[in-house]
Amino acid sequence: DVKVTQSSRYLVKRTGEKVFLECVQDMDHENMFWYRQDPGLGLRLIYFSYDVKMKEKGDIPEGYSVSREKKERFSLILESASTNQTSMYLCASSPTVAGANVLTFGAGSRLTVL
Amino acid sequence: GQNIDQPTEMTATEGAIVQINCTYQTSGFNGLFWYQQHAGEAPTFLSYNVLDGLEEKGRFSSFLSRSKGYSYLLLKELQMKDSASYLCAVMDSNYQLIWGAGTKLIIKP
Repeated sequence: DVKVTQSSRYLVKRTGEKVFLECVQDMDHENMFWYRQDPGLGLRLIYFSYDVKMKEKGDIPEGYSVSREKKERFSLILESASTNQTSMYLCASSPTVAGANVLTFGAGSRLTVL
Repeated sequence: GQNIDQPTEMTATEGAIVQINCTYQTSGFNGLFWYQQHAGEAPTFLSYNVLDGLEEKGRFSSFLSRSKGYSYLLLKELQMKDSASYLCAVMDSNYQLIWGAGTKLIIKP
C-alpha cells in the first residue's frame, strides 16, 4: 500500500523552539509539498519541491524553510516557532505526469506552539 | 484575486442524494479536483474534471462547467461513512492548486 508518512502526528512546542517536521513517501514521486490547514481556510501551500535539492516557495513561506536531500524525504523546518504557526501541517507527493497531477497526502502533523 | 467558494456545511439523510457546489475564479484553468477528508485523516482523491460534463465513478459523480466557473460533486445512496469534508481545488494557469475551504457533510440516520 503506497503512502506518505509524516513522522509526528502531534507536537507541542514552545515559542522560539526549532521544529522539524519530516515526511517520507514510498512512491518514487518527483514532487513533494507542504501545506498548512486551518479552520475556515483552504489548504495553503508553504513550499514545494520538484526534484532532489530543489525547492520553490509557495503562498506562505515566511517563517519556514525546507530540505530535500533525498527523493523520498521532504522536511519542513520552523527555525523559531511562533504561536501563529499553530496549525495542521499536511505533506503530499505527486508524480510528474501529463494531465491530472493527483496528490497523495500524509495523515498530518498537528503542531501547537505555546 | 483567485477564489474558490463552497458551502461550509451541509446535512443530508442516509440513503439520499446530496450535491456539493463549488464556484471558482482563477487565473486560468487546468483542471478541477475533488478530495474527501475524514476528520483527523489525510485528504484522498475523488475526482478530476478538465472538460465540461459529468464524470461518474460509482456512487460519486462530478460535473464541470468551465464557462460558468462551476462544479458540483454528487453523492448518491448516502452512507454514514460519507460523513467527511469535501475539498474542491482548481489548478490554475501556473499549474498551482487553489483550494476551497471545504464543505463538511453531516449524514443523519
